[in-house]
Amino acid sequence: SQTIHQWPATLVQPVGSPLSLECTVEGTSNPNLYWYRQAAGRGLQLLFYSIGIDQISSEVPQNLSASRPQDRQFILSSKKLLLSDSGFYLCAWTLGGFGYTFGSGTRLTVV
Amino acid sequence: AQSVTQLGSHVSVSEGALVLLRCNYSSSVPPYLFWYVQYPNQGLQLLLKYTSAATLVKGINGFEAEFKKSETSFHLTKPSAHMSDAAEYFCAVSVRSGNEKLTFGTGTRLTIIP
Repeated sequence: SQTIHQWPATLVQPVGSPLSLECTVEGTSNPNLYWYRQAAGRGLQLLFYSIGIDQISSEVPQNLSASRPQDRQFILSSKKLLLSDSGFYLCAWTLGGFGYTFGSGTRLTVV
Repeated sequence: AQSVTQLGSHVSVSEGALVLLRCNYSSSVPPYLFWYVQYPNQGLQLLLKYTSAATLVKGINGFEAEFKKSETSFHLTKPSAHMSDAAEYFCAVSVRSGNEKLTFGTGTRLTIIP
């Protein structure tokens, strides 16, 4: 069966520090992959999506970036975090079967 | 572009009462519609989905939703609320495309009153 792993679960980082969040999917090939951010009291904002290796689209201009070095690995990065980057980050995948499967999320607090 | 509007950011119902969470969508092409549930500090779990088959869709945990094209609605219901239903619920829409992007509503927090 397919599973999605996301880590770390929680992270506290100082302003200006770098960020790397990782997401991996097991049990499937060539999934569509997504990064969403959920700010406190707000809905989900799509940050990046990828339909294949090195095929990444950005939805919102910001100081975050994403990479997909392997078929089932999706990484969210930042060179210098801002306070406004705090939130709950969710990775998700789909094979086009209508509907995502989400990871358990990373709670990022920038201090 | 497609969008969804969830009416009511907070809904409270008594245990055993009907749950009704409202969702209206906007889409220029036939949409696919979804309801997700999120428990605190967890990811989102798919409750049910409409993908142009039966308009009344049954999901997990006793929830169901009805697609009404004339009203552009996809409201979520459950006949009898349980304490374990307390969570945040998100409606989402997508269209058939290569990237399958989901657009989410802002969510409805459901509180169950004992």
